[in-house]
Amino acid sequence: AAGVIQSPRHLIKEKRETATLKCYPIPRHDTVYWYQQGPGQDPQFLISFYEKMQSDKGSIPDRFSAQQFSDYHSELNMSSLELGDSALYFCASSSKKQGVVQETQYFGPGTRLLVL
Amino acid sequence: GNSVTQMEGPVTLSEEAFLTINCTYTATGYPSLFWYVQYPGEGLQLLLKATKADDKGSNKGFEATYRKETTSFHLEKGSVQVSDSAVYFCALSVRGSNYKLTFGKGTLLTVNP
Repeated sequence: AAGVIQSPRHLIKEKRETATLKCYPIPRHDTVYWYQQGPGQDPQFLISFYEKMQSDKGSIPDRFSAQQFSDYHSELNMSSLELGDSALYFCASSSKKQGVVQETQYFGPGTRLLVL
Repeated sequence: GNSVTQMEGPVTLSEEAFLTINCTYTATGYPSLFWYVQYPGEGLQLLLKATKADDKGSNKGFEATYRKETTSFHLEKGSVQVSDSAVYFCALSVRGSNYKLTFGKGTLLTVNP
């Protein structure tokens, strides 16, 4: 079965640079979530999209922005990168069943970002 | 707000030992509860879930029961294997919070042969 695809899998950037992370949800999934997992930490919710509209926002810095496109893939744009942005970034997707958003999220493998 | 507290570990067991990882929660509304597993260097995999009180989730020999009276969702396995070595995260989501997941701190399990 198709899973959530994230690219790139690994990314190395310098401080103050910009990074773009991409997420391709499971086919027919219309809801996307982004999470950040620092070293040895639990994943923290950043932002979510439902039907291409932002549905919720967590502890996402103002330097970060995200959107969901017409094909339901999502991109997380990170500017003015800081050392503390080094983390594993997960995307997860979920679907609707009979018009109701389902609670189960399926995670991608993550993008490991290292800021030097 | 919503929060999850789980036994942080690390937990070290011998193969075929019994496993319990405690998880308790606080939530506004009626949460769904999950256990996710993260193998070294990999992403998060859904292990099991329960969406209402007294539901039991089970998968690959792991079980957890949604206990509303004690706000708990403890993970158990009768006989662990070396391949079960991973980090286990308890998590919840609430419909009123757009189903975003709130995770516990994770428990590192190491199973020795």
